[in-house]
Amino acid sequence: ETGVTQTPRHLVMGMTNKKSLKCEQHLGHNAMYWYKQSAKKPLELMFVYNFKEQTENNSVPSRFSPECPNSSHLFLHLHTLQPEDSALYLCASSPEGTDSSYNEQFFGPGTRLTVL
Amino acid sequence: GENVEQHPSTLSVQEGDSAVIKCTYSDSASNYFPWYKQELGKGPQLIIDIRSNVGEKKDQRIAVTLNKTAKHFSLHITETQPEDSAVYFCAASIKAAGNKLTFGGGTRVLVKP
Repeated sequence: ETGVTQTPRHLVMGMTNKKSLKCEQHLGHNAMYWYKQSAKKPLELMFVYNFKEQTENNSVPSRFSPECPNSSHLFLHLHTLQPEDSALYLCASSPEGTDSSYNEQFFGPGTRLTVL
Repeated sequence: GENVEQHPSTLSVQEGDSAVIKCTYSDSASNYFPWYKQELGKGPQLIIDIRSNVGEKKDQRIAVTLNKTAKHFSLHITETQPEDSAVYFCAASIKAAGNKLTFGGGTRVLVKP
C-alpha cells in the first residue's frame, strides 16, 4: 500500500461504544495529524504529532484520545461520543515535521463516523 | 489566530471555460499557501502550493497567484474538464505557529459538459 491509509472507512457506533480509528502512512513522514470535517464547516485540526510526540491538542474533548506508537501509525480512540461528533475524520502526514519551513500535508481517505 | 476566507462557495462553469477561486488571509506572517482538491468519498489531495517568496506558480492547467500586500491568493483552472468537478480548499500556514494549516471553507466546482 502507498500513501496514507485509514481504517475503517465507515463506522457507526452508539454513544456508549468504544471504538478506534487507525491511520498508517507509508511515506516515511515525521508528522501526523487528525482533522475533523463536518458539513458546512472548514477542516478543523484536532491533534498534531511531531516525531511521535503530541505537539498540539486543539481544545478537543477528552472523549477523543489520540495515540501515536511510532511515526508511521496514528490512532484515535473514541468513547462516549455524542451525535454531533458525526463527521469525516481525516488523517494527514507531512514529511519534515512541523518545524520545517513549509508544511506539505498529505491526507488519507478519511473515516466516515456516524454516532447514533 | 489566522483566518482564511474563501469565495465563492459554489462555482458552476461550462466545460472549456476557466474557473477562479479566491482566498484572503489575515496574518501577514503566513508563508505557505496550498490548494487541495477533494472528490466525493476521498480525502483532500494537494494539487498545487505557493510560498511567500513567489508571486505565481503554474502546473499545466492550474495556476496560483499570491498578492502578499493585499493578503490574498487565487487558484486558476483553465480549459476546465468534467473531472475538475470537486470541492477545492485553500489553506495558509505560518512557520512560527508550528506550520499549522488554516483552511478556507471550500468551493464546490461543477463543470458542465
